[in-house]
Amino acid sequence: ELQLVESGGGLIQPGGSLRLSCAASGLIVSSSYIVWVRQAPGKGLEWVAVAYSDGQTYYADSVKSRFSISRDKSRNTLYLQMNTLRGEDTAIYYCATRRSQLVPFDFWGQGTLVTVSS
Amino acid sequence: DIQMTQFPSTLSASVGDTVTITCRASQSISSWLAWCQQKPGKVPNLLIYKASHLQSGVPSRFSGSGSGTEFTLTISSLQPDDFATYYCLQYSTYSYTFGQGTKLEIK
Repeated sequence: ELQLVESGGGLIQPGGSLRLSCAASGLIVSSSYIVWVRQAPGKGLEWVAVAYSDGQTYYADSVKSRFSISRDKSRNTLYLQMNTLRGEDTAIYYCATRRSQLVPFDFWGQGTLVTVSS
Repeated sequence: DIQMTQFPSTLSASVGDTVTITCRASQSISSWLAWCQQKPGKVPNLLIYKASHLQSGVPSRFSGSGSGTEFTLTISSLQPDDFATYYCLQYSTYSYTFGQGTKLEIK
C-alpha cells in the first residue's frame, strides 16, 4: 500500500535550518518522482520542488539556493533541506507522488507544519 | 517562469448550478494543466489532468477544457460536496505553478 509520511516540521527561528523527511512505503524513493508543495496558513498552494526518478531536482525561485533535496535509499526517505529560513516559509509542507506520468501528482502525504518565527 | 492567473477568486453559487473557473497561462503550456480541489484541513484532490482528462473516481459533472494559454474547469449540477477551493496547476516545465485558487461558496 502506498504511503507517504512527512516529518521534521516545527518552530524555527529566522535564518535557521530544518530538514523535512518524506518516508515512503509502497514505492522506492530512490527511483521515484516526488514533489514538495507548501501552503501558508490561510493561503493557496505553492509548488516548492520536484525530484524526478532520474535524480534531477528543480526548485521554485522562492526557495532556489536555500532548499535542496536528497534521498536515503536505506531509509527509503526523501529529504527537503531548508536553510536560511524566512517568515514567509511558514507553511504546511506536503510531499506527493504520482502513479501515472500524465499527472503532476495523485497521492499526498498528510503534511508537516513549519513555523519560522522568533 | 510561467505565471498562472486564475479567476474568479471567489464564486457564489447554489446547489444545481453550473459554474466555470478559468486559468490563463503567461505562455503556452500545451495541455499540461491540472485542476485540483481542496477542502479545509484536507490535502488537495486531483480532478482533471492534461487539461481535459478526468481522474479516476472523480464524478463526471467535473470537466476541463482548453489548451495553449486558456483553460476552464466546469462543474455541472453543483452538489453540496463541491463547495471547496479549486486550484489550477501548470506542469509543462520543470518548474510548476499553481493558480491563486477559487473559493466556491454556497449562495
